Amino acid sequence: AQSVAQPEDQVNVAEGNPLTVKCTYSVSGNPYLFWYVQYPNRGLQFLLKYITGDNLVKGSYGFEAEFNKSQTSFHLKKPSALVSDSALYFCAVRPMDSSYKLIFGSGTRLLVRP
Amino acid sequence: GAGVSQSPSNKVTEKGKDVELRCDPISGHTALYWYRQSLGQGLEFLIYFQGNSAPDKSGLPSDRFSAERTGGSVSTLTIQRTQQEDSAVYLCASSSGTTSYEQYFGPGTRLTVT
Repeated sequence: AQSVAQPEDQVNVAEGNPLTVKCTYSVSGNPYLFWYVQYPNRGLQFLLKYITGDNLVKGSYGFEAEFNKSQTSFHLKKPSALVSDSALYFCAVRPMDSSYKLIFGSGTRLLVRP
Repeated sequence: GAGVSQSPSNKVTEKGKDVELRCDPISGHTALYWYRQSLGQGLEFLIYFQGNSAPDKSGLPSDRFSAERTGGSVSTLTIQRTQQEDSAVYLCASSSGTTSYEQYFGPGTRLTVT
């Protein structure tokens, strides 16, 4: 079965410190990979994607993610966290079939303390 | 430009009633998706439209759920004889379906079945 795992329900970091939100996946072929962020009472906002090429991709709000094919991971990172980064983060994959649907992880709540 | 819009934003209905949820995608986006976000269960794919056709309905949980899309634009998700387990946030997303891989999400409709 195709799946995405976000092993941490919550990540706590202090403002100014680096943050990492973990994501691993299990799909056949070479999937497309995405990170989305959800603020309270709002829809999902696209952060970044990996399609092909450089394993390190940069996205919105200073976030970046590193694709590791051998470890089937796509961890989200930011060098210096802000309190305003506190939100729910979802990793998603698009398997290489014809439907274009996204398979989402369960989400990780990021809490950045002042 | 305008993003994906959904209506109503909130819907409270009695068990056994039918409900209709509406999605207005980004203008020009040919692909449209419905997802469901249940408390503690993450996001699950429901149905995918390309134009007016639905090549992937694999996520619809039962035959009480149906969806249609007319004119390659607005989509309606209908839930018949609602049950309490249908309570969730229903999210709609759209994408250009060609060179754009990411999906853009609406704010969602929060459905509560009493």
